[in-house]
Amino acid sequence: ETGVTQSPTHLIKTRGQQVTLRCSSQSGHNTVSWYQQALGQGPQFIFQYYREEENGRGNFPPRFSGLQFPNYSSELNVNALELDDSALYLCASRVGGQYGYTFGSGTRLTVV
Amino acid sequence: TQLLEQSPQFLSIQEGENLTVYCNSSSVFSSLQWYRQEPGEGPVLLVTVVTGGEVKKLKRLTFQFGDARKDSSLHITAAQPGDTGLYLCAGYTGTASKLTFGTGTRLQVTL
Repeated sequence: ETGVTQSPTHLIKTRGQQVTLRCSSQSGHNTVSWYQQALGQGPQFIFQYYREEENGRGNFPPRFSGLQFPNYSSELNVNALELDDSALYLCASRVGGQYGYTFGSGTRLTVV
Repeated sequence: TQLLEQSPQFLSIQEGENLTVYCNSSSVFSSLQWYRQEPGEGPVLLVTVVTGGEVKKLKRLTFQFGDARKDSSLHITAAQPGDTGLYLCAGYTGTASKLTFGTGTRLQVTL
């Protein structure tokens, strides 16, 4: 059991639409990060939340936004979808102060 | 921009062979993590190294963090088909609260 659950597993959206991806972390994991992984590449850091506040952000435009909730769940919102947003989106969580992250299995987003 | 370059990108070897994967950067990281990812799954943490020069062993896998904390290596002894996967190094920068992943090394071990 990975302890991190993502939904949905697969999603197809049309260019210009908006999407919300969800993540449920292990109890006590107060730090959650989101990553975008294109095919054949390493994950790219989107942003990180600690105790419901964003405390780190990668080189992604503002149309990528997120929320973290008190029940250790979080969501990634992407507005005005572009074809290049097609990727595997990964959620990862950890206990603040520890090093390693636990990843979910990801949501495969296809934008057509 | 912090970049982590991994080499080689692809590696196809036979069972029983040894191999080394390298992870290099011009940036200093507070810690370096290694993950393995299989198709359709998220990365799974193998090890975290924190101190420059640190060496950690996990069964047949040996991980080393460079003295300057800019590079790392992963050595696998007597590779097995179960070692097949995408190996990713990732450097953590505490000040930016950011984990930067490397470009990945895809390993295939055949019988």
